[in-house]
Amino acid sequence: EAGVVQSPRYKIIEKKQPVAFWCNPISGHNTLYWYRQNLGQGPELLIRYENEEAVDDSQLPKDRFSAERLKGVDSTLKIQPAELGDSAVYLCASSPTSGTGYTFGSGTRLTVV
Amino acid sequence: GENVEQHPSTLSVQEGDSAVIKCTYSDSASNYFPWYKQELGKGPQLIIDIRSNVGEKKDQRIAVTLNKTAKHFSLHITETQPEDSAVYFCAACYNQGGKLIFGQGTELSVKP
Repeated sequence: EAGVVQSPRYKIIEKKQPVAFWCNPISGHNTLYWYRQNLGQGPELLIRYENEEAVDDSQLPKDRFSAERLKGVDSTLKIQPAELGDSAVYLCASSPTSGTGYTFGSGTRLTVV
Repeated sequence: GENVEQHPSTLSVQEGDSAVIKCTYSDSASNYFPWYKQELGKGPQLIIDIRSNVGEKKDQRIAVTLNKTAKHFSLHITETQPEDSAVYFCAACYNQGGKLIFGQGTELSVKP
């Protein structure tokens, strides 16, 4: 069984530029999460989807971040415009139901210069 | 608010010794406590988890204990091996909310 697939693995952009990350969850997993992990810290939730619906986006900086999950499968997280402080690893995870059985992808390491 | 404290931040042991990592959570509604191992350049990998109706769970060399009254839970690794070297994260979750609150991580180094 394929795990959670994320792309790209690495991205370097200049500040004020846009960037997008893509996630393909495990087949059949209804819940999808985007987490951000700063260097030396634990991941922090940005947004959680139940199928197509964003049910928890309280930690998402909505002035510059947006996300979508079309048809309740793949998801895209976008930042526009990027700031230096956005440099981090962006992790996608999925689970069969909300809260347990999480599987994380390998993440996208973003560097904003 | 929701918070998970994890100690120690770094831990160095000799191969074959035991390692213990401790976490404390703040939200009494938390009922699911997973532990993750993260190797360099990879995402967190679930190694063991425990639910609030269980006090202890063991899987080969790894065990987790939970004290709900004190809001403490711990990871125990016995007979450590160099390949156990990684960063370990504890987390707490209220199932209905679905959000994992992670500790700050423990960098475990097992010296051969």
